[in-house]
Amino acid sequence: EAQVTQNPRYLITVTGKKLTVTCSQNMNHEYMSWYRQDPGLGLRQIYYSMNVEVTDKGDVPEGYKVSRKEKRNFPLILESPSPNQTSLYFCASSLNEDTEAFFGQGTRLTVV
Amino acid sequence: AQKITQTQPGMFVQEKEAVTLDCTYDTSDQSYGLFWYKQPSSGEMIFLIYQGSYDEQNATEGRYSLNFQKARKSANLVISASQLGDSAMYFCAMREGEDSSYDKVIFGPGTSLSVIP
Repeated sequence: EAQVTQNPRYLITVTGKKLTVTCSQNMNHEYMSWYRQDPGLGLRQIYYSMNVEVTDKGDVPEGYKVSRKEKRNFPLILESPSPNQTSLYFCASSLNEDTEAFFGQGTRLTVV
Repeated sequence: AQKITQTQPGMFVQEKEAVTLDCTYDTSDQSYGLFWYKQPSSGEMIFLIYQGSYDEQNATEGRYSLNFQKARKSANLVISASQLGDSAMYFCAMREGEDSSYDKVIFGPGTSLSVIP
């Protein structure tokens, strides 16, 4: 089954404790993205990747890191999480930047 | 400045009626793409329709059509024959393009649609 898998689905952590949210897709897609969703703001792109070893900043990259060492995986790293990073995070993949994006189920992160 | 504007935070429509969800966008690129996504209360994001800036015909996908007016920078979603299952948040999104040397995707704030039986 074609899918984008994010883990974990829910995470509560403390300020400053490094964490990684994993994202994996099985569709051989080239374009992958991370978004955060906050009430009233829609989704905001954090980082995107056009292919392996090619990543670029979206609109809200501060406080986040990504890597794309393999085509299927695109982990999101928060080196020192802060409470303003409490949000719902989505990973998405698409064949390219102009085709439908398949989204993961979301990761609800709370930083206390 | 907001690049994607959805002026209707909430809308109601009677079942079986058609509804138009507004979206205007701002870009100086000549090449860009426009998307609509649906997010039901369960939270998943579902792709509905895509329109490329160079596409001359309005995109259609089943009951969904995109009313693309390039000069007005408008990309409204039309849902025909609304169903109860259409109740959801709807997001308009734009992929800015080649002219800018990047391929960011920007979402609007969304419109909450409620279908009334």
